[in-house]
Amino acid sequence: AQSVTQLDSQVPVFEEAPVELRCNYSSSVSVYLFWYVQYPNQGLQLLLKYLSGSTLVKGINGFEAEFNKSQTSFHLRKPSVHISDTAEYFCAVSDPDRGSTLGRLYFGRGTQLTVWP
Amino acid sequence: GAGVSQSPSNKVTEKGKDVELRCDPISGHTALYWYRQSLGQGLEFLIYFQGNSAPDKSGLPSDRFSAERTGGSVSTLTIQRTQQEDSAVYLCASSRDRGTGELFFGEGSRLTVL
Repeated sequence: AQSVTQLDSQVPVFEEAPVELRCNYSSSVSVYLFWYVQYPNQGLQLLLKYLSGSTLVKGINGFEAEFNKSQTSFHLRKPSVHISDTAEYFCAVSDPDRGSTLGRLYFGRGTQLTVWP
Repeated sequence: GAGVSQSPSNKVTEKGKDVELRCDPISGHTALYWYRQSLGQGLEFLIYFQGNSAPDKSGLPSDRFSAERTGGSVSTLTIQRTQQEDSAVYLCASSRDRGTGELFFGEGSRLTVL
């Protein structure tokens, strides 16, 4: 089974500052990688995903993430955050080589991003 | 419907009672998942249904937990003899494409066991 580590449980930043939310996963031959966002009192929604191809993936709301196979990382970045980006962010991994768990996502514990004015 | 619908949104129950949580997935989605979200614990996988295949129940924490999916659509998660540690938000998600793991989540059912 995969494991996903989000190194920071909380990240406070000021508005318009850059931010990086870190995510590492246990190694595998191939993986699919995701970032989900959960705004207060809402369900999770997909922010971006890496399935194959370019290692730099762009998502909604100006976020991007880079897949680094050698470091087994998939860090999320945004060059300038807004107060509306305040939310919890979850990194997730799907291991397509694992038979019956083909569609199962393994989630990290989440990173609470708080943007201050 | 337009999204994954879960009910009830909030449930308060007494220890020892049984509860049922319902999930109505997006029409046409063949895969359905239940996750449990506890404060500071991330999302814990519970069970996964894919079409007519036998469900993957490997995440159910005890035999007090069970789930069924009728007609390949609506799913019910049942917790028998609830305990205080069962208090959490129970999230349902559905997926059109099993292979990529792209899930659409409901807003969850918050369960509080007193």
